[in-house]
Amino acid sequence: DQQVKQNSPSLSVQEGRISILNCDYTNSMFDYFLWYKKYPAEGPTFLISISSIKDKNEDGRFTVFLNKSAKHLSLHIVPSQPGDSAVYFCAALINAGKSTFGDGTTLTVKP
Amino acid sequence: EPEVTQTPSHQVTQMGQEVILRCVPISNHLYFYWYRQILGQKVEFLVSFYNNEISEKSEIFDDQFSVERPDGSNFTLKIRSTKLEDSAMYFCASSVGQAIYGYTFGSGTRLTVV
Repeated sequence: DQQVKQNSPSLSVQEGRISILNCDYTNSMFDYFLWYKKYPAEGPTFLISISSIKDKNEDGRFTVFLNKSAKHLSLHIVPSQPGDSAVYFCAALINAGKSTFGDGTTLTVKP
Repeated sequence: EPEVTQTPSHQVTQMGQEVILRCVPISNHLYFYWYRQILGQKVEFLVSFYNNEISEKSEIFDDQFSVERPDGSNFTLKIRSTKLEDSAMYFCASSVGQAIYGYTFGSGTRLTVV
């Protein structure tokens, strides 16, 4: 039962343009969502989060949007930089419990 | 910047042997976790630990698995009798508060069971 899905295994964008990473979930009980970034041979790094009571959270170049009715969230990176090239995971929580991760999307930002 | 340290980075073990994976979480963190990622698959929750006891565990975390915080700094994951399907990257993580604040992950231990 895949409760958190990232349907695009990979995304390639040009430096300076916007990267949009998508995540869908099926469990309406999820009340908190997080995005992590992972470089090879490293553990995931926390990027940004959003509570289900909000529809947008922004931190510098990173913005997360949440559409509860569609059970969809997205991470926008503007402008994209080559150093952003990594695997991006979305994760969802219920009542601050365990994190359920998506499969990840590999972002490649081309110079 | 404080980091979560995991040792060893790579462990090879024979099927049926016991392994202990070690982690040193960030010193002022209160919540501790183990996750694993089988090659090509998603990151999966194993167990969370708070106030010296398991607060939540997944169905993966069966009787073969145990966790300990023996001395206030180390956090260990023990697999009593390893199976081939235990081969994975094991990540330790810690957080100052609950998971909504995001975890700090270690770099992982790659466990290979042969």
